Amino acid sequence: AQSVTQLDSQVPVFEEAPVELRCNYSSSVSVYLFWYVQYPNQGLQLLLKYLSGSTLVKGINGFEAEFNKSQTSFHLRKPSVHISDTAEYFCAVSDLPGGSYIPTFGRGTSLIVHP
Amino acid sequence: GAGVSQSPSNKVTEKGKDVELRCDPISGHTALYWYRQRLGQGLEFLIYFQGNSAPDKSGLPSDRFSAERTGESVSTLTIQRTQQEDSAVYLCASGAGNSYNEQFFGPGTRLTVL
Repeated sequence: AQSVTQLDSQVPVFEEAPVELRCNYSSSVSVYLFWYVQYPNQGLQLLLKYLSGSTLVKGINGFEAEFNKSQTSFHLRKPSVHISDTAEYFCAVSDLPGGSYIPTFGRGTSLIVHP
Repeated sequence: GAGVSQSPSNKVTEKGKDVELRCDPISGHTALYWYRQRLGQGLEFLIYFQGNSAPDKSGLPSDRFSAERTGESVSTLTIQRTQQEDSAVYLCASGAGNSYNEQFFGPGTRLTVL
């Protein structure tokens, strides 16, 4: 079974600073990878996803993530954060077709942007 | 188009009562998921529906929890004899039924058991 590790439960950062939220997954086989964002009192919404091809994936709101197969990682980055980026961020992994259709989510990282 | 909707948005109940939570998925989405999110925690998978196939109930924490879905439409999650540890946000998500497709989440139902 897959497992997803988000090492940082909380990441405080100042506005306009760069940020990286870490995500590692357990399986070495091919997977699909997702990052979701959850704003306070809302459901999750997709930031970006990796299916295949270029290992650098660009998403909404200036976020990007890099897939590293050898390190089984999919870290999320943004070069300059805004106050409005304060939210909970979840990494998720899905198996390729033929595997489980139930994605595995990490425990989440709370990004706190200070003015 | 309309997204995933859930009702009620908030539910306060007394210990021992039954509750029913509703999810309206995006039209045409064959897959529907229920998750539980306890305060400060990640998502805990509960149950998965895919079209007319038998649901995957492997995440249901006890036999007090059950869920139904009529075809590819509305789903209801029922919790019988609620306990205080059932207090959480219950999230519903729908999708196109492929693992490479993202899930579309509803805003959740916040359940408080007194």
